[in-house]
Amino acid sequence: AQKVTQAQTEISVVEKEDVTLDCVYETRDTTYYLFWYKQPPSGELVFLIRRNSFDEQNEISGRYSWNFQKSTSSFNFTITASQVVDSAVYFCALTDMNRDDKIIFGKGTRLHILP
Amino acid sequence: NAGVTQTPKFQVLKTGQSMTLQCAQDMNHEYMSWYRQDPGMGLRLIHYSVGAGITDQGEVPNGYNVSRSTTEDFPLRLLSAAPSQTSVYFCASRFAPDRGADTQYFGPGTRLTVL
Repeated sequence: AQKVTQAQTEISVVEKEDVTLDCVYETRDTTYYLFWYKQPPSGELVFLIRRNSFDEQNEISGRYSWNFQKSTSSFNFTITASQVVDSAVYFCALTDMNRDDKIIFGKGTRLHILP
Repeated sequence: NAGVTQTPKFQVLKTGQSMTLQCAQDMNHEYMSWYRQDPGMGLRLIHYSVGAGITDQGEVPNGYNVSRSTTEDFPLRLLSAAPSQTSVYFCASRFAPDRGADTQYFGPGTRLTVL
């Protein structure tokens, strides 16, 4: 069965600190996609990144970076020099391409950036 | 493009009442889905559709019906509302189901309270 685990329910860091959000997934498929979404206090869901299972290169986008490791089934998300505007709930998700592409979400990590 | 739109934004129902949550997209996406978001549970898939005339159940389908008569619209019906259906509901869409890499776009959500 597919599963996405975000073990960190809630994290608080002081502004300008770096923070890493963990994501561990389970799937029997060899082809799949992983995603991160951000949900700010306003409630909408904002797409951040997708990564396919064949591409293990790390990605950096400004202060955001993602570390995908198939060997440990992890897709961790790091925010460098955090800012108060980064405060949100972050969801990791997995697409099973052999089951009508349903997206399975983790339960989310609530991130508080303290000024 | 308006993207994915949902109406209403807020709704209060009494137990036993029925209602329909509306979802529409103007991006010609084939794949549409409904999620509910509850505290500590992340997003759970209720129903999804891979194209007009085709629907299927997700993780938590009980108490909900859907239909997909057009590509654009994917309404979610609550037949007899229960307090357990108090939640935030998100509609989402993306291109064809075999293009799992495509970004899934979310609507702004409907906050439903059942008394």
